Amino acid sequence: DKQMTQSPSALSAFIGDRVTITCRASQSVYGWVAWYQQKPGQAPKLLIYKASTLQTGVPSRFSGSGSGTEFTLTISSLQPDDCATYYCQQYNGIPWTFGQGTKVEI
Amino acid sequence: QVQLVQSGAEMRRPGSSVRVSCKTSGGDFNNFAFTWLRQAPGQGLEWMGTLIPVFGTPNYAQRFQDRVTITADKGTTTVYMELSGLRTADTAVYFCARSLGKAAQADYWGQGTLVTVSS
Repeated sequence: DKQMTQSPSALSAFIGDRVTITCRASQSVYGWVAWYQQKPGQAPKLLIYKASTLQTGVPSRFSGSGSGTEFTLTISSLQPDDCATYYCQQYNGIPWTFGQGTKVEI
Repeated sequence: QVQLVQSGAEMRRPGSSVRVSCKTSGGDFNNFAFTWLRQAPGQGLEWMGTLIPVFGTPNYAQRFQDRVTITADKGTTTVYMELSGLRTADTAVYFCARSLGKAAQADYWGQGTLVTVSS
């Protein structure tokens, strides 16, 4: 299975800060990476797919980049509503595997 | 409007089985894959298996291979996940999710179903 290693596991930032979360795959997953946001008691919400494509309706302050084994989710200007846990996922075939999550606090 | 609506919370004894349903609406049921994932308390997301109803044969995670069954009822556009031989470690929120295929992102998710296994 392709392992996804996500860092950091948690971070604290201020409103307006630029926040970056990194995910590293144990082998190339090409660009088949998605990023999800999950708030307590809710299902994950798709933010980014194919490494850098913004899902419809997601604010443009979210962006993704990377290919192969290194991927990044960036929040350009952190907002109060962004308090959540973020997960990367590879879907270069099955099984799908996820990073351990990054809890973002403000 | 796409919706995946899951059945309600369940409580089971160790060794028993549970079946969780995921009623889908919006979009052509035959065009999608449906995946079950779970999330133990305070933990991350774990893929359990994926079914493309039009093809009929699901793929399961190796660790659940002997215990999980994913099925679909095309008439009611409902997907089911049954987990047998329950252990306390199976206590988790179970999610269904929709994607365009096995190698595609999950764009819609059910609300989650808490399954509690306790003696």
